[in-house]
Amino acid sequence: GDSVTQMEGPVTLSEEAFLTINCTYTATGYPSLFWYVQYPGEGLQLLLKATKADDKGSNKGFEATYRKETTSFHLEKGSVQVSDSAVYFCALSDGSSNTGKLIFGQGTTLQVKP
Amino acid sequence: DGGITQSPKYLFRKEGQNVTLSCEQNLNHDAMYWYRQDPGQGLRLIYYSQIVNDFQKGDIAEGYSVSREKKESFPLTVTSAQKNPTAFYLCASRTVWTVNTEAFFGQGTRLTVV
Repeated sequence: GDSVTQMEGPVTLSEEAFLTINCTYTATGYPSLFWYVQYPGEGLQLLLKATKADDKGSNKGFEATYRKETTSFHLEKGSVQVSDSAVYFCALSDGSSNTGKLIFGQGTTLQVKP
Repeated sequence: DGGITQSPKYLFRKEGQNVTLSCEQNLNHDAMYWYRQDPGQGLRLIYYSQIVNDFQKGDIAEGYSVSREKKESFPLTVTSAQKNPTAFYLCASRTVWTVNTEAFFGQGTRLTVV
């Protein structure tokens, strides 16, 4: 079945460092890919998405490119801030059905130190 | 403002009790979902519903029940048959008539067995 694998955390960075969180997926059909962010004690918020190969999603300085050839959707940010500390989830939605089920990775905790 | 409201934010259950978690949305979304979140395990799908009076089991439905009598509401009951209910529960909704749209999440309910 479809699955998402993220790099294990926690990832600890200093402020203004470069961030990469790796995400790879296994899917049949043509999935859409998402990154969600979860702040402590809250629900998930959509950070960015990409719906087809070579699309680049971007928001708030974060970027991710849908790479079909490597089945990857790595999250990057050039300069992290303390306020970026959160848990980041990579997810996919099967584009060939309309159930809208999202399959999530296990989440990666990011800690940014001043 | 449109959104998803989950209540209560915190819930305590005694052994052998059934408890019901509320989820209401005013986004006019057809599909609604319940996920369970445990530390280090990402999100797992409990139940989902694409239309009023219809719902399907997700990956971990045992010990849970749902109803979908109104488009706006999708309550989740955690029954006494669920042996390890302590977790963070997230409700989400999505439009299903446009493929590749993202899901919107509520703020979550933290359930603890006492």
